[in-house]
Amino acid sequence: ILNVEQSPQSLHVQEGDSTNFTCSFPSSNFYALHWYRWETAKSPEALFVMTLNGDEKKKGRISATLNTKEGYSYLYIKGSQPEDSATYLCAFFNQAGTALIFGKGTTLSVSS
Amino acid sequence: EAQVTQNPRYLITVTGKKLTVTCSQNMNHEYMSWYRQDPGLGLRQIYYSMNVEVTDKGDVPEGYKVSRKEKRNFPLILESPSPNQTSLYFCASSLWGGEQNGYTFGSGTRLTVV
Repeated sequence: ILNVEQSPQSLHVQEGDSTNFTCSFPSSNFYALHWYRWETAKSPEALFVMTLNGDEKKKGRISATLNTKEGYSYLYIKGSQPEDSATYLCAFFNQAGTALIFGKGTTLSVSS
Repeated sequence: EAQVTQNPRYLITVTGKKLTVTCSQNMNHEYMSWYRQDPGLGLRQIYYSMNVEVTDKGDVPEGYKVSRKEKRNFPLILESPSPNQTSLYFCASSLWGGEQNGYTFGSGTRLTVV
């Protein structure tokens, strides 16, 4: 069974703080790693899809890195804002798979 | 607007009463999938479909059925719902399942079985 682990499970930061989360996944047969942002009462929205070792992607204040050899990805948020409060999901797609395998998510709360 | 439409958003039903949750996408996506979300667990795949008339089980298919008679629709059927199927359900679609554009999710259906 493929396992995707995310840490921390939750965290609370102050407005302006920078933060980062970790996603660990199986390093064998890697195909793609997805990050999603899931706000309360809404549906998950794709942030990044990463496929190459060493990939770095950025969208505004949010960026992500990928290490496929050791099986981890980091999501960074620079200068957190209250509107960044959400659950951040990572999901792994392997070469033989037919579905994304999701982690349990990291829930971020940003106080003003 | 490109979207995945799920209905209903909320549903309370009784044990054993058959129900269908509809899912429709307007993006001409080949791949569609159903997930359920439960507290403390990640999104878990129920069924998926790579194309019309092609469906297969995900990780937690027991108690569910699906059909894919046309590309845009992928309904989830609970023939005899039980309380352990109380959950938040999401339908998702993508161009072919493994490409680099990410999945598009519907707005979710919160189902309660009493």
